[in-house]
Amino acid sequence: AQKITQTQPGMFVQEKEAVTLDCTYDTSDPSYGLFWYKQPSSGEMIFLIYQGSYDQQNATEGRYSLNFQKARKSANLVISASQLGDSAMYFCAMREGSVSNYGGSQGNLIFGKGTKLSVKP
Amino acid sequence: ETGVTQSPTHLIKTRGQQVTLRCSSQSGHNTVSWYQQALGQGPQFIFQYYREEENGRGNFPPRFSGLQFPNYSSELNVNALELDDSALYLCASSKTQETQYFGPGTRLLVL
Repeated sequence: AQKITQTQPGMFVQEKEAVTLDCTYDTSDPSYGLFWYKQPSSGEMIFLIYQGSYDQQNATEGRYSLNFQKARKSANLVISASQLGDSAMYFCAMREGSVSNYGGSQGNLIFGKGTKLSVKP
Repeated sequence: ETGVTQSPTHLIKTRGQQVTLRCSSQSGHNTVSWYQQALGQGPQFIFQYYREEENGRGNFPPRFSGLQFPNYSSELNVNALELDDSALYLCASSKTQETQYFGPGTRLLVL
């Protein structure tokens, strides 16, 4: 079973409007983190926002907010006031909590397949 | 604060060859993770290094190996290259259990 599901391969939004990108996740670990990254055509993954499983409030970072619904296992990204520069691939990712034998944490990210957002002028 | 850097940016190799990709982590970060991103897919975790030791590994064969140096920079080595190894290789650094910040990636093409 997929751990991260992004059901929207592509989305279009008009400039200055808000858009919601969907993400559902699957884990039995009570401790986990959810991330959204933006990947422009250049390839670099740019961190946008983080939500911890124990966080009581939805995360916000500027124009980005994360609609976290724990019971539904969803972590949708909301971008307000879309800009042309927001056109990119958007990836939802999860890190499950675990501790390795070395005392560090196995913090590998599990990514979804991404959503391509296109902002129209 | 210097971000994550990777070299080279692009690389072309032939099947059966070996390749080494390099990553310099962000200042203050002690953990480096490597990911492979095939065209049209999300990144797949290869392995992670913490304090110069492999700290977790994804579903990749042993011909994918790595190193982390005392300054926390890292290398990814791939032996006996196959056509399916063609991908964008991303390096990410972090402080333990915190947000991972990615470099610009190395695009590898295997012919």
